[in-house]
Amino acid sequence: ETGVTQTPRHLVMGMTNKKSLKCEQHLGHNAMYWYKQSAKKPLELMFVYSLEERVENNSVPSRFSPECPNSSHLFLHLHTLQPEDSALYLCASSQMGGRSGEKLFFGSGTQLSVL
Amino acid sequence: KQEVTQIPAALSVPEGENLVLNCSFTDSAIYNLQWFRQDPGKGLTSLLLIQSSQREQTSGRLNASLDKSSGRSTLYIAASQPGDSATYLCAVRPAGNKLVFGAGTILRVKS
Repeated sequence: ETGVTQTPRHLVMGMTNKKSLKCEQHLGHNAMYWYKQSAKKPLELMFVYSLEERVENNSVPSRFSPECPNSSHLFLHLHTLQPEDSALYLCASSQMGGRSGEKLFFGSGTQLSVL
Repeated sequence: KQEVTQIPAALSVPEGENLVLNCSFTDSAIYNLQWFRQDPGKGLTSLLLIQSSQREQTSGRLNASLDKSSGRSTLYIAASQPGDSATYLCAVRPAGNKLVFGAGTILRVKS
């Protein structure tokens, strides 16, 4: 394991459901990220939290709602999703301002299918 | 707007061959560049990170170079093995918090 844990690994949901993705990092990092990876497209940054404050929201639809209660946990709340939202959702963490040059460490992802 | 391109999109080589993956970026104003490996359906594993002031980084059979002025990086894999089969992603970090990723190179090493 990489030190970043995501649950669930797989999720199938209908368009009217509400679900949440969870991410936990055990690396003592101060920044956490949500990325979306769709088939045959580059990774897209969705949100960045630094010291529990959202510092970037990359024009993501409001049906995706992030929450960062502390520096170790990050959630992505989902509601009324569309089939085109089906993708691999990846969480990552890093130490901003650290000597490692802000290397990103990724979780294994949640494979989301919206029916 | 920063754009990252990786060539080739896919590569198949016999075991033992040395190989080079290419990454180019349009804006040379970057803080660092990272190479990642991704296995199917899995997350990304960071392989090498090169700061903008560095020219190369090495880890085992991997060597990554950076030529910031020309907007290019290469990932050299020596003596390839079937276990190296994966998608290799290049990402640059411009100002701010946002990494910009390439689409990746799918590598298959045949035994």
